Amino acid sequence: DAGVIQSPRHEVTEMGQEVTLRCKPISGHDYLFWYRQTMMRGLELLIYFNNNVPIDDSGMPEDRFSAKMPNASFSTLKIQPSEPRDSAVYFCASSFEDKNTEAFFGQGTRLTVV
Amino acid sequence: KQEVTQIPAALSVPEGENLVLNCSFTDSAIYNLQWFRQDPGKGLTSLLLIQSSQREQTSGRLNASLDKSSGRSTLYIAASQPGDSATYLCAVSFYGDNLFFGTGTRLTVIP
Repeated sequence: DAGVIQSPRHEVTEMGQEVTLRCKPISGHDYLFWYRQTMMRGLELLIYFNNNVPIDDSGMPEDRFSAKMPNASFSTLKIQPSEPRDSAVYFCASSFEDKNTEAFFGQGTRLTVV
Repeated sequence: KQEVTQIPAALSVPEGENLVLNCSFTDSAIYNLQWFRQDPGKGLTSLLLIQSSQREQTSGRLNASLDKSSGRSTLYIAASQPGDSATYLCAVSFYGDNLFFGTGTRLTVIP
């Protein structure tokens, strides 16, 4: 397996624009997580899914953020409208249903909102 | 509230030195603890996973220990090399699903 795949790797957009980040988890993994990493706050969990169902979205900062997982092999994180303070690296991770297994991370998407 | 703390925030050592990175967490009821490495501009690479029932795990020059009662984990790196320079993150699974991350320790190994 190629691992967790995120796209794009880099995104630069203007304030107010819609941004969509994409993630393909490792095949067979039941959990999918979206994290955001900033210098000030470190790594923060935004939302996670189990078997395509959102379980906990309490980390989503505002209604401008939304995430979907239409099937087991694809998830999106959307920001609409984007703001400069959304600039960060967004990571997607996946793991098996077994709670005692590792989480595998994608390479991240570096988002810059100007 | 579950919190994960890593000390020091940055560490610089000469090549060949053995070193220890520290991680502490607030709740002893954990499922597992995972150590990651992050290189600049890159994703997170899993180094070691310790189950709640284990006390340590080893992989090559790396050894991670877990003491749940004191809420601490250490990552020991033997014979450090310049290629070990990176940020090391500790992450704890308190409920068996999502991870709580420390802020990381930035390691620099000087040739």
